[in-house]
Amino acid sequence: DTGVSQDPRHKITKRGQNVTFRCDPISEHNRLYWYRQTLGQGPEFLTYFQNEAQLEKSRLLSDRFSAERPKGSFSTLEIQRTEQGDSAMYLCASSQSSTGELFFGEGSRLTVL
Amino acid sequence: EDQVTQSPEALRLQEGESSSLNCSYTVSGLRGLFWYRQDPGKGPEFLFTLYSAGEEKEKERLKATLTKKESFLHITAPKPEDSATYLCAVQAGYGGSQGNLIFGKGTKLSVKP
Repeated sequence: DTGVSQDPRHKITKRGQNVTFRCDPISEHNRLYWYRQTLGQGPEFLTYFQNEAQLEKSRLLSDRFSAERPKGSFSTLEIQRTEQGDSAMYLCASSQSSTGELFFGEGSRLTVL
Repeated sequence: EDQVTQSPEALRLQEGESSSLNCSYTVSGLRGLFWYRQDPGKGPEFLFTLYSAGEEKEKERLKATLTKKESFLHITAPKPEDSATYLCAVQAGYGGSQGNLIFGKGTKLSVKP
């Protein structure tokens, strides 16, 4: 399978715990994006990388959120001290250029109890 | 403020009953308008990109059109497998982020046999 893969697919955690999600993009894509989606809403932009450089972060990305893309390959999104409001689907996408033609993974669903 | 509004929120059709989904947008210089399909529990799947008013794109039973203020996704003779949520997104040109696609909330389409 050469699509975007995300791990884990589901994560249940208690409030205050830290969680980390991993995204492996399509190998030839140099751009990687993180979006968040809650029920009944469209995806909301969090951050994106071009190669290993994080070029933009949304104001939605509080200090508890951190994303990395070491070596310009896979990326991780860490949420520290989780809150119930963090419960959502976290979507990773990649692209080969700056167009909006993004290839999304199946998402990592986070439930914070 | 850049925004995307989709209507209706939900649409129920009988198999073979053609209809249209609407996406109206306000954006600072449109770089592109995108349609995605999203199945339950999955990430969005790219369908079309439209760049300028008057442009049309087709794929199987779907045709997307663009004006200066809105886009339509026309579905001709739909089948049950067309049931999904259809998302519209825009990418701003002037002062906008190259990573930030602004999504609407989507239209949930159900096609009954």
